[in-house]
Amino acid sequence: DQQVKQNSPSLSVQEGRISILNCDYTNSMFDYFLWYKKYPAEGPTFLISISSIKDKNEDGRFTVFLNKSAKHLSLHIVPSQPGDSAVYFCAASDPNTDKLIFGTGTRLQVFP
Amino acid sequence: EPEVTQTPSHQVTQMGQEVILRCVPISNHLYFYWYRQILGQKVEFLVSFYNNEISEKSEIFDDQFSVERPDGSNFTLKIRSTKLEDSAMYFCASKGWDRNQPQHFGDGTRLSIL
Repeated sequence: DQQVKQNSPSLSVQEGRISILNCDYTNSMFDYFLWYKKYPAEGPTFLISISSIKDKNEDGRFTVFLNKSAKHLSLHIVPSQPGDSAVYFCAASDPNTDKLIFGTGTRLQVFP
Repeated sequence: EPEVTQTPSHQVTQMGQEVILRCVPISNHLYFYWYRQILGQKVEFLVSFYNNEISEKSEIFDDQFSVERPDGSNFTLKIRSTKLEDSAMYFCASKGWDRNQPQHFGDGTRLSIL
């Protein structure tokens, strides 16, 4: 039961360009979404979140967009930097239980 | 910046043995969680803990698993009789009082069952 999906297992972007990572969800009751970044041998690091009352949230180089009607969110990183190379996980917070439901992740590689 | 710390970073245990994974959540957080990630698979929820009791558990979290907050700082996950399929990365997370606050994760314990 894949309630949160990240259909692109990997993405390669040149330094300075925009990285766009996508995420789809199936449960329209989800109302809080998060993006985490993960380096090897480390835990997921919180990056940015968005509540369903908004359609955009921005923090520096990172912007998350939420399209509720399409049940789709995306993370934009601009400009991309080599240090952004990591696995990015999309997660939805279950409104009844508060548990996070994760996608399978997208491996971003930013090359010079 | 405050962080969630987990020990040990790697635990190797014989099948059938008990194992305790330890976590120190962020000090003013009220909600505590355990997740696991089997190699090549998603991060999946195990259990949440609030006000000294389990608030939610997944179907993975069977009678072999237990959690405890033995004092004001530690949060532990115990697996009573480990199985080969328990081999995974185990992540602890904690969150503040507001529902729409992010969960912050530790760096995990790699559990290897032989």
